[in-house]
Amino acid sequence: GQQLNQSPQSMFIQEGEDVSMNCTSSSIFNTWLWYKQDPGEGPVLLIALYKAGELTSNGRLTAQFGITRKDSFLNISASIPSDVGIYFCAGSQGAQKLVFGQGTRLTINP
Amino acid sequence: DTEVTQTPKHLVMGMTNKKSLKCEQHMGHRAMYWYKQKAKKPPELMFVYSYEKLSINESVPSRFSPECPNSSLLNLHLHALQPEDSALYLCASSLNRVQPQHFGDGTRLSIL
Repeated sequence: GQQLNQSPQSMFIQEGEDVSMNCTSSSIFNTWLWYKQDPGEGPVLLIALYKAGELTSNGRLTAQFGITRKDSFLNISASIPSDVGIYFCAGSQGAQKLVFGQGTRLTINP
Repeated sequence: DTEVTQTPKHLVMGMTNKKSLKCEQHMGHRAMYWYKQKAKKPPELMFVYSYEKLSINESVPSRFSPECPNSSLLNLHLHALQPEDSALYLCASSLNRVQPQHFGDGTRLSIL
């Protein structure tokens, strides 16, 4: 089946550092989504991308839809303690199904 | 706070019990989803309802039975579950099939 390769699997950073994670696929997607999941909660939508090359920001978060439509990245600038959690990328081809990456676990040392 | 509400938040049941998970949204979304999520793994799709009709069943065992009584409600009926069914069960909804999905906080299910 389709797979999204999300990297890195985990990150240990200092507060204030910038973070970058990405997802790649061998398949083309029409939509790329980035979610964050905190312990005991459901995934929360951070950013949705709909067009190849699109660059979208949400506060300190910036995400881009790759030109080839097979990849996306998420950057977090000036990390703070509440950024801790698991970040998932997800791709959609418009058929209701989302394909998820394996997640990036972010840990921040104060 | 999420706009997709799931109850109960936690559920412990024996393998012979029958229970139901409930999901509710009032955003006017016409697509609703059930996912299963194991620890440290991404959500796995189980069922999709579109306009109150089951449109996708990802080969889920029959001990899981979904129901969509109306456009705001989604149930998951559970019967004769196995210990390996212990997981976080997430409900999601979207305006339509191409719009992003919004998740509830899930029901943490433990099977004894």
